[in-house]
Amino acid sequence: SQQGEEDPQALSIQEGENATMNCSYKTSINNLQWYRQNSGRGLVHLILIRSNEREKHSGRLRVTLDTSKKSSSLLITASRAADTASYFCATVRFTSGTYKYIFGTGTRLKVLA
Amino acid sequence: DAGVIQSPRHEVTEMGQEVTLRCKPISGHNSLFWYRQTMMRGLELLIYFNNNVPIDDSGMPEDRFSAKMPNASFSTLKIQPSEPRDSAVYFCASRLERTGELFFGEGSRLTVL
Repeated sequence: SQQGEEDPQALSIQEGENATMNCSYKTSINNLQWYRQNSGRGLVHLILIRSNEREKHSGRLRVTLDTSKKSSSLLITASRAADTASYFCATVRFTSGTYKYIFGTGTRLKVLA
Repeated sequence: DAGVIQSPRHEVTEMGQEVTLRCKPISGHNSLFWYRQTMMRGLELLIYFNNNVPIDDSGMPEDRFSAKMPNASFSTLKIQPSEPRDSAVYFCASRLERTGELFFGEGSRLTVL
């Protein structure tokens, strides 16, 4: 399979709680990106973390990267009903003159009001 | 900018018919990607163009699939003949070189009966 693995596959939380989703991958990477997809829509870029970074913040988003374990996590703090969506990690590797963007299987997040 | 534009948004066709999906990337983006999304296999990379040249087509399922990028502002993905197992949502994305993030279109939902 060309995909990374994400867990959990689905997550249901109450508004105001934090949501954590994890991504594991298999190869070396240049960077790792997280995307969000609302039902019936295209993916939207959220945040990028480079392979030499360990943590990054953007608003209510916090991303960590552990290259030794080949894993990343996305934390959404103080979740809102509008955060309900699917979240995907994408590993990016530059190899043989091309960029490879490989997407994980996704986590479906449902935030209950 | 209007973003990545895909057409048609929905296509229903019968097995054996030719299907052409279209994509207009964001102006100034030099790389274009075609992805296919299904529940079973998630997001699969089909083909990647850089400066209108196909760089990696290893994800194209078989000879029934072909993709072209005749100029920097237009790409097509063609399936001939189509089969029911081609039913999926097909996404086009273009890449902002400065940041490495992908911008996705809203997708073309294909149903082959």
